[in-house]
Amino acid sequence: AQSVTQLGSHVSVSEGALVLLRCNYSSSVPPYLFWYVQYPNQGLQLLLKYTSAATLVKGINGFEAEFKKSETSFHLTKPSAHMSDAAEYFCAVSGPGGNKLTFGTGTQLKVEL
Amino acid sequence: GAGVSQSPSNKVTEKGKDVELRCDPISGHTALYWYRQSLGQGLEFLIYFQGNSAPDKSGLPSDRFSAERTGGSVSTLTIQRTQQEDSAVYLCASSLDLTRVDTGELFFGEGSRLTVL
Repeated sequence: AQSVTQLGSHVSVSEGALVLLRCNYSSSVPPYLFWYVQYPNQGLQLLLKYTSAATLVKGINGFEAEFKKSETSFHLTKPSAHMSDAAEYFCAVSGPGGNKLTFGTGTQLKVEL
Repeated sequence: GAGVSQSPSNKVTEKGKDVELRCDPISGHTALYWYRQSLGQGLEFLIYFQGNSAPDKSGLPSDRFSAERTGGSVSTLTIQRTQQEDSAVYLCASSLDLTRVDTGELFFGEGSRLTVL
């Protein structure tokens, strides 16, 4: 079975500081990996996805993630946090056959002045 | 429609009652998914439809939960004899084809928040 683990259910950063949200995956086959964001009272929307084309993936709103096979990681970063980045972030991995996403438990990002 | 539409957005019911939650996916999306989001639990997969058939029902928590999809479009998730532990946000998502690199993305609705008293 495929799974993802998100380290830290809550992360707090100052505005302008680096954002680092951690995700480690477990998969017996080459995975597709995703980051989704959920703003308050909204549905989830795709930030970025890794599908083996390039290990460094750039997404919307200045976010990027790097696939590291040796570390089984797909951490999400943004060089400078903005107040509007406050949301819940979910890492996900595609299942066998790629027809289902398995999500992590999410990380709530708080951005402080 | 332009996006995935779910109804009702909020539902409060009494323990033991049945509830139906509706999902209208993006037009043309053949795959439809139901997830459950509980506080601190992340997103829990419930069921997946490809067209009108459900190849994967592995996430349904009990036989009180069922889902159907008709006409390859609208789906209904039914919870019979609701229990307090069923309280959660039920999310629906649709996709063109998750296995394809170029279209592999889930589009989510805003969810139906269920509260069982």
